[in-house]
Amino acid sequence: DGGITQSPKYLFRKEGQNVTLSCEQNLNHDAMYWYRQDPGQGLRLIYYSQIVNDFQKGDIAEGYSVSREKKESFPLTVTSAQKNPTAFYLCASSGRTSGRTDTQYFGPGTRLTVL
Amino acid sequence: GDSVTQMEGPVTLSEEAFLTINCTYTATGYPSLFWYVQYPGEGLQLLLKATKADDKGSNKGFEATYRKETTSFHLEKGSVQVSDSAVYFCALYSSASKIIFGSGTRLSIRP
Repeated sequence: DGGITQSPKYLFRKEGQNVTLSCEQNLNHDAMYWYRQDPGQGLRLIYYSQIVNDFQKGDIAEGYSVSREKKESFPLTVTSAQKNPTAFYLCASSGRTSGRTDTQYFGPGTRLTVL
Repeated sequence: GDSVTQMEGPVTLSEEAFLTINCTYTATGYPSLFWYVQYPGEGLQLLLKATKADDKGSNKGFEATYRKETTSFHLEKGSVQVSDSAVYFCALYSSASKIIFGSGTRLSIRP
């Protein structure tokens, strides 16, 4: 059963600690994305990766870091430099379908709360 | 730059009412257009898409038509159910190879 998994669903951390959010996909998609969603808000792009070993900053990359060592995996680290890390984090991926790579498919999300 | 504007919510309707959620866009060329739905505490699910002018996307009774002349992609459903209560996002695939999302419209359906 193909899809995107994010773990854990809920994550609690103390202020000043780094935390890594997991995102794995078995859709054989080349591109992967991380978004942040705050209550009642739309999605903001943090980082994206079009291919293994390459990634680009999105609109709100400060205080975050990523790696893309494997096609299937795109972990996001929320560092202590992120001033307001409490949010809902969504991972997505896209691949070539009908000659296009424009449709993104989302994981279930991780809700991070920093205490 | 490319952008998406959708009607602000919340929208509250009675069951079996007709639904319209307005969405307009600004973009160069002919971007693909999408509607995504988010149920409480979950990720986004693709609801429907259209890739060229006059295309109609449809799924689960929802429809939207790509109108190039009015740069719109309004979401409609003839008879809503309580289970349709969710947040709906309009989006486009931009010339910068990224998806641009609208701010979302919260829909609540009363039994």
